[in-house]
Amino acid sequence: GAGVSQSPSNKVTEKGKDVELRCDPISGHTALYWYRQSLGQGLEFLIYFQGNSAPDKSGLPSDRFSAERTGGSVSTLTIQRTQQEDSAVYLCASTTIGVIRTGELFFGEGSRLTVL
Amino acid sequence: AQTVTQSQPEMSVQEAETVTLSCTYDTSESDYYLFWYKQPPSRQMILVIRQEAYKQQNATENRFSVNFQKAAKSFSLKISDSQLGDAAMYFCAYRSYNQGGKLIFGQGTELSVKP
Repeated sequence: GAGVSQSPSNKVTEKGKDVELRCDPISGHTALYWYRQSLGQGLEFLIYFQGNSAPDKSGLPSDRFSAERTGGSVSTLTIQRTQQEDSAVYLCASTTIGVIRTGELFFGEGSRLTVL
Repeated sequence: AQTVTQSQPEMSVQEAETVTLSCTYDTSESDYYLFWYKQPPSRQMILVIRQEAYKQQNATENRFSVNFQKAAKSFSLKISDSQLGDAAMYFCAYRSYNQGGKLIFGQGTELSVKP
């Protein structure tokens, strides 16, 4: 596609439910990132995929959070047993290895998660 | 670990005037990149300008320029001739030269532009 696509745009769930957030990166982009943006906060790094390398999971806040990237393209971020503090906007970004050092990430519009 | 701090949660500027957004960072590395990203209400982050730490010359992109002070670990963004479309959240970000692709972001500064 023309840009990074994320779905759903908005998700409201009940505490304790599992949710899946999807990211479809720009075609050909080998690097994919997930960030979390809580109200009034900056962007918190969650996880980074680069090609076939093992992902950098150092930002995942707990074992309730996991992510996978199938076929080097689409990624799914899964949050199990959601808590109210998980409420945030989850942003996905992608880029190519050719520009990765320059830091130009291409972001989607995010998925806003609200946990009641 | 590296940290990025933006001490101005909100800033306001009159249309056509100039505004400077502040950013400081903490790192023990000598090689790195610094960035300013803009996030309009649509939530989609857009790269505004970047600076390589090894370059002494400050980066400039049209009305946007930075004041990079490596010794002071300061990286401010100057917006000249402010336009209504500049209203957005602005995030300063740091990227290590050698540690993968992850960007570390500051807390953001919300800029409003008054007509």
